[in-house]
Amino acid sequence: NAGVMQNPRHLVRRRGQEARLRCSPMKGHSHVYWYRQLPEEGLKFMVYLQKENIIDESGMPKERFSAEFPKEGPSILRIQQVVRGDSAAYFCASSPRAGGRSEQYFGPGTRLTVT
Amino acid sequence: AQTVTQSQPEMSVQEAETVTLSCTYDTSESDYYLFWYKQPPSRQMILVIRQEAYKQQNATENRFSVNFQKAAKSFSLKISDSQLGDAAMYFCAYRRSQGGSEKLVFGKGTKLTVNP
Repeated sequence: NAGVMQNPRHLVRRRGQEARLRCSPMKGHSHVYWYRQLPEEGLKFMVYLQKENIIDESGMPKERFSAEFPKEGPSILRIQQVVRGDSAAYFCASSPRAGGRSEQYFGPGTRLTVT
Repeated sequence: AQTVTQSQPEMSVQEAETVTLSCTYDTSESDYYLFWYKQPPSRQMILVIRQEAYKQQNATENRFSVNFQKAAKSFSLKISDSQLGDAAMYFCAYRRSQGGSEKLVFGKGTKLTVNP
């Protein structure tokens, strides 16, 4: 069973461009979580999605950031008009169900650099 | 809101020795989960150990064990017989048990160096 896949692993964007980060959860997992890790910091929760639904977006910046998890295909984290402060590692995690002992399995992350 | 604090930005240990990493947290919930994750230079997040708050027994996984003090809201990680491959960032994390957000709340991490 393949793990959580993220692509690209590295992404360079100029200020003002759009960044699209993709996450394919583990097979059988319908819950996806996005986290951001700034340099020298721990991971910060951004958004929690189930298929076609956003469940908790309390950690998402109000502007320029959006996320989706369509019925078919990967989850997408989209950052419009990127700024230097968006440079970070973005991690996706997935789980088979919510709550209880369900573990979140992490992908390798996408390192976004804004120049 | 829940918070997780790791007061040791860096720690070092000699190979084969034992080291303890500290973590405290703040919550008003009575039922929750606590985790230790390892992040090696590859940046992959690896689950090391998990503790359920309703269990009094401390969790163990081979050379890794925790000291869970619920009343003190303390959750330290002990690594025995340290190996060079244990060198990494270690993050303590909290998650509610049921209902509401499924998010993990992380501390800022402790960088562990293992000296040969």
